[in-house]
Amino acid sequence: DGGITQSPKYLFRKEGQNVTLSCEQNLNHDAMYWYRQDPGQGLRLIYYSQIVNDFQKGDIAEGYSVSREKKESFPLTVTSAQKNPTAFYLCASSKLAGGGELFFGEGSRLTVL
Amino acid sequence: ELKVEQNPLFLSMQEGKNYTIYCNYSTTSDRLYWYRQDPGKSLESLFVLLSNGAVKQEGRLMASLDTKARLSTLHITAAVHDLSATYFCAGALTSGTYKYIFGTGTRLKVLA
Repeated sequence: DGGITQSPKYLFRKEGQNVTLSCEQNLNHDAMYWYRQDPGQGLRLIYYSQIVNDFQKGDIAEGYSVSREKKESFPLTVTSAQKNPTAFYLCASSKLAGGGELFFGEGSRLTVL
Repeated sequence: ELKVEQNPLFLSMQEGKNYTIYCNYSTTSDRLYWYRQDPGKSLESLFVLLSNGAVKQEGRLMASLDTKARLSTLHITAAVHDLSATYFCAGALTSGTYKYIFGTGTRLKVLA
């Protein structure tokens, strides 16, 4: 079945460590996105990419990095520079044509110890 | 810069009652989306509204879009407990860059 796979679902990290969250899609979508959600809050855009080897900063990119080497994959690295990384991270993708609806993965919950 | 605001932020309602969630956006948005999120889960797409006057209905939920007023509404008819969730609207800027901006969400609780 087509969809978006995020891994891991749960991740614990010590302060000062970098961690990478995986996001893979087999929907043949052009665009991919990373959002952060804090408890009881809305979604804030971290990074997005419309084509391979190109990506743009969203509203809260500081302390994060991404790559888009393949159309299907858009990993997010949470670096030690991110001051408060504990959050729920959601990856999404969309076709650029048509309705442009966003499809979401199941999310990755990161906790910094 | 596109900004999206929802109200109310919290909504507690009795089963069987009707209510409307409002979504205002600050600049021209090509399209408007509604999503549902259950606690601890990801977002599920409900409606995609692509043009002025668009109306979509699914079960007890109906969404509409007025691009002139920069307003979308999500109307709940005869609420049932299963509709308890957080509902988000999102606008999109699709000229140049495809960027989706979400509202803060409306947490709906339907009381039996």
